[in-house]
Parts: sequence; structure tokens; C-alpha cells
Amino acid sequence: GQNIDQPTEMTATEGAIVQINCTYQTSGFNGLFWYQQHAGEAPTFLSYNVLDGLEEKGRFSSFLSRSKGYSYLLLKELQMKDSASYLCAVRAFSGGYNKLIFGAGTRLAVHP
Amino acid sequence: GAGVSQSPRYKVAKRGQDVALRCDPISGHVSLFWYQQALGQGPEFLTYFQNEAQLDKSGLPSDRFFAERPEGSVSTLKIQRTQQEDSAVYLCASSQTSGSSYGELFFGEGSRLTVL
Repeated sequence: GQNIDQPTEMTATEGAIVQINCTYQTSGFNGLFWYQQHAGEAPTFLSYNVLDGLEEKGRFSSFLSRSKGYSYLLLKELQMKDSASYLCAVRAFSGGYNKLIFGAGTRLAVHP
Repeated sequence: GAGVSQSPRYKVAKRGQDVALRCDPISGHVSLFWYQQALGQGPEFLTYFQNEAQLDKSGLPSDRFFAERPEGSVSTLKIQRTQQEDSAVYLCASSQTSGSSYGELFFGEGSRLTVL
């Protein structure tokens, strides 16, 4: 089966850096995604990792270690608008297709 | 269309009523997924379509839940004899192809179902 763990809540200060961790156990691993979801809105794609290492995209970076079943999302220069839930999702290939399995999400509150 | 469109955005049903939720995916997207999201939780997989074929329905909670995509485009999720535990946001997502190396999902804004 699949299991994805991430912290339930985090708080940070505007302008600071925050790291959101995600650990997973899955068979048929075929990539890890991070999505951002503001309250009452659709999840939106942030980043994708399939190989080990760091992927950087502006203020956001995501890291993957497949051997450790571990990923993190790094948010720099935090802004108030970054207050949202961050969803770690593992793509697993099974039964001839890819399925995206989500963690419960980490609610990030950014304070002035 | 430009994005995934879902309707209705909000639905209030009395316990025991049947409901139908519609999803209009991005034009040309082969793969379509339905997820259920309870308050404060991540999306939970319900079912998957590749074109008109329903390849996985293992996440449907009971036989009261039924999904279809008859022409490989618009999909409908139907819930019969709704119960209070069915209250959730139902998210539809589509992607270009499930076999691509990237293939991120594009989500609709969801249909929020409240069962009284």
C-alpha cells in the first residue's frame, strides 16, 4: 500500500524560509508532486521530482531522496499569500496507469 | 475550455436524495480522475478514466457511488441515497496522459456537497 506523512500545521514569519517535509512508502514509485491549495480553491501544481536532488523554481524548491522515501518543499522569502495548504503527492504506477496519492496536507500560516 | 470546469459548485441535499456532479475536463486530456476531499484532509482517490474506459474504481466508498464518461470527455459522478458522511468536496482532475513523464493533474474548483 501507500503511506504519506507530512506535518499537519506550520507557522512562519513573512520574509523567512520554511521547509515542509514529506515521507512516503509506496510501490511503483514514479514521481513526487507538491501542490498548493488555498482555502476553498483547487489544488495547483507547484513542483515535480522524479530523480534524486533539488529542483528550483523561483522562491520554491523541492528535494527528493528516493532511497530514504523523503521529500521537502522549501519556500523562501515568504509572503502573506503563501498561507495555504501544501499537499505532497506520490505518483505510483500500478495496473497499467499512474495514480496520484495525496498526503493530508500541511497548513502553513505566514504571519507579519 | 481553458481549465477544468465542475458544476454545481455547491450542492445541498437531504439525506436519501440522489445527486449528480459534472466535470468538464481540459479539451484533449485523456486521463480523468475523481477525488473526495474532506475538510482539513488531502484529496482521496475515487476513480480513474482513460478516455471513456473506467480503469480503476477501487476508491469508490460504496455501491451508491457511480461514475461515467461515456464519450471520453465530460464525466459525471453520481451518488445515490446520499448520507451525511458523503458531505465533502468532490474534485475532478485531468491530465494529458497518464503515461507521460510529467503529467501533472489539473484540478477543477470542486463541487462542495453538504448532506443534511
